Amino acid sequence: EIVLTQSPGTLSLSPGERATLSCGASQSLSSNFLAWYQQKPGQAPRLLIYGVSSRATGIPDRFSGSGSGTDFTLTISRLEPEDFAVYYCQRYDRSPTMYTFGQGTKLEIK
Amino acid sequence: QVQLQESGPGLVKPSQTLSLTCTVSGGSISSGSYYWSWIRQPAGKGLEWIGRIHTSGYTNYNFSLKSRVTISIDTSTNQFSLKLSSVTAADTAVYYCATDPMIAGHLDYWGQGALVTVSS
Repeated sequence: EIVLTQSPGTLSLSPGERATLSCGASQSLSSNFLAWYQQKPGQAPRLLIYGVSSRATGIPDRFSGSGSGTDFTLTISRLEPEDFAVYYCQRYDRSPTMYTFGQGTKLEIK
Repeated sequence: QVQLQESGPGLVKPSQTLSLTCTVSGGSISSGSYYWSWIRQPAGKGLEWIGRIHTSGYTNYNFSLKSRVTISIDTSTNQFSLKLSSVTAADTAVYYCATDPMIAGHLDYWGQGALVTVSS
C-alpha cells in the first residue's frame, strides 16, 4: 500500500510569514502526478497545484510546489488571512489506478 | 466552467446500499477528455478516493472498496452515480464527486459534497 505522510500535522504561523508544507511518499513517484489541495471548513477541496509544480486556474503565485521522487513541498510565500486551512497532497498511480491522499496539514493562525 | 452537484438520501440503514447521483452542468459528461470520480471524507478525517468512470463505461475502483462499489454513467441526463453496498457506520462520510481529466493525475472541479449517515 502506498502511503503519503504530511508534515507537520499542524503549522502555526502569522499572516505575512512563509509556510512550508511537506509530503513524503512511501514509494517514489515514477511520474509527476502529485497535486495539492486546500480545504476550508464546510467546503470541498480546491485544487491548488498539479503536476508537482503547476498552479491551477486562478491560484495566486504565492503558492508554489516542488519536489521529486519521494519528497514534495508546498510553499506559500507570504500568508494571507484566507490561506489558513487544511492542505492535502495527493498522488496518482496508473498501475493499478489509484488516487492516494495524505492525512493533511492544518495551517492555523498563530 | 463545469459544476457538479451530489444528491441522494442523507440517511442509510446498516447493511443497505448507499446511492448517490452527481449532476454535471456547464459541460457534457460525454466528453472523452474526462473521467468522473467519487471521493469521500469521514468527519474530521482525510480524503479517500472511491473510484471513477469514463463516458465509455470504463471504470477504476479503489481496491479496498471494489467488492462493494458500482459506478455508472447516464449520458442522457448528464449524470453519474455511486452505489456502495452492505454499508456500516464506517461508511458515514461526506461524499464528493469530481472531474478527473484524463492523463492528468488530479481532480480539478469538485461538487459541494453530500453527507451520508449510516444509522438504524
